Amino acid sequence: KAGVTQTPRYLIKTRGQQVTLSCSPISGHRSVSWYQQTPGQGLQFLFEYFSETQRNKGNFPGRFSGRQFSNSRSEMNVSTLELGDSALYLCASSLSGPSTDTQYFGPGTRLTVL
Amino acid sequence: GQQLNQSPQSMFIQEGEDVSMNCTSSSIFNTWLWYKQDPGEGPVLLIALYKAGELTSNGRLTAQFGITRKDSFLNISASIPSDVGIYFCAGHRIYGFGNEKLTFGTGTRLTIIP
Repeated sequence: KAGVTQTPRYLIKTRGQQVTLSCSPISGHRSVSWYQQTPGQGLQFLFEYFSETQRNKGNFPGRFSGRQFSNSRSEMNVSTLELGDSALYLCASSLSGPSTDTQYFGPGTRLTVL
Repeated sequence: GQQLNQSPQSMFIQEGEDVSMNCTSSSIFNTWLWYKQDPGEGPVLLIALYKAGELTSNGRLTAQFGITRKDSFLNISASIPSDVGIYFCAGHRIYGFGNEKLTFGTGTRLTIIP
C-alpha cells in the first residue's frame, strides 16, 4: 500500500505570494491532518479534514486554509506569505481520525519564503 | 502554540547505551504517543499509550503513560546506529464531540558517538 504523498517536496516563494500544497492520503483513509514544523515552535497542528469537512482547527490565522476532495486528497493554501511561514508542512492521514486510529505522516513540503 | 515540555533537548551517547527521555504537561491527555523523525521524512509512530499507568514495549523501546495523565517517558535499551533521529512525544486530547487536538513535544535529538 502506498504511503502518504505530498507535493511538491520543496517550494520557494516570496513575501506576499500565495501557495497551495497537496496531500494524497493512504488509500482508504478519510482523515487528513496538516501540521507546521519549525525549529522554534516544533510541530503545530493546523487543521484536520474528514469527509470533505474541516473537523478540527488549530490556532493559525485565516491566511491558512485547506480543503478536502471527495477522494480524500487534501490541499492546504497559505495566502499573503510572510517570512515566518517558512517551515516544513506535514500532512498525516488516518482511517477515521487521530483519536482512534494511527496517523501516518507524509515526508512533508519544505516551504521557504524569501 | 501549546507545546509539551520534552527533555532532554539532545543526547549524545555511545552505541549500546540505554536512553531515557520524558514529556510533561500542565494538561491531562487521553492518549500519549511517541514518534521518531528521520531527516527529510515525516514522523513515524513508535508507541501509543491509551491508559494512565500503562507500560508498553515495542522491541527495545518501552514507554509509560504517567498516572497523573500529565507525563510520559520513553526508554530505548542498547542503542544502535539506526536509533539516531529526533524523538517526539505527543499528547492527544478530546475536548468534545468532533473537537480533538494532538499536541507535540519539542523533540529530543539523539546522536550516537562513534
